[in-house]
Amino acid sequence: DAGVTQSPTHLIKTRGQQVTLRCSPKSGHDTVSWYQQALGQGPQFIFQYYEEEERQRGNFPDRFSGHQFPNYSSELNVNALLLGDSALYLCASGSSLFRGPYNEQFFGPGTRLTVL
Amino acid sequence: AQKITQTQPGMFVQEKEAVTLDCTYDTSDPSYGLFWYKQPSSGEMIFLIYQGSYDQQNATEGRYSLNFQKARKSANLVISASQLGDSAMYFCAMREVGGKLIFGQGTELSVKP
Repeated sequence: DAGVTQSPTHLIKTRGQQVTLRCSPKSGHDTVSWYQQALGQGPQFIFQYYEEEERQRGNFPDRFSGHQFPNYSSELNVNALLLGDSALYLCASGSSLFRGPYNEQFFGPGTRLTVL
Repeated sequence: AQKITQTQPGMFVQEKEAVTLDCTYDTSDPSYGLFWYKQPSSGEMIFLIYQGSYDQQNATEGRYSLNFQKARKSANLVISASQLGDSAMYFCAMREVGGKLIFGQGTELSVKP
């Protein structure tokens, strides 16, 4: 049973470019959340996708957008990259069957994005 | 607004001893969950333990236990019999019903042989 997978592992871009990160959820999961973790900080929630729609969004600009596909996998797109976008981007999957606070999020290994 | 506070940027513990990592939280929602995650240098977030706001007993998972003091809004993680492999960043996080995870700043734990 594969866990959450993310690609690529590492990525180097220059300012102003656009980037797409990918995430495949754990088998049986249908929700995907994205987090940004800057160096030395805790992860910050970007948004969550469920049923191919963005359900909840954190305090991130519109340069950050996403998509969820019918197979529940997801993409995170960041346009007009800034130096401050350099971070570890974590994807977490969960199940919509669990409505309460306990909805364990299984995290992927992350994508390390460096913006030069 | 919901908030998680971890006041210990770094902690040291001797191998085989116990250590407590502090976490306080703030929320107005009566229903919430508290999580602890371990993040090794590889970057993956590893789930350790969960405590629900209505749980009467403190959660335990092997060497991990959560000291939940609801009135004080604290959810400290206790690691017993520390091992060298416990050296990592530890994050406390909170979720309200159906909501996002809110993380603290983390505590870097170093286990000394």
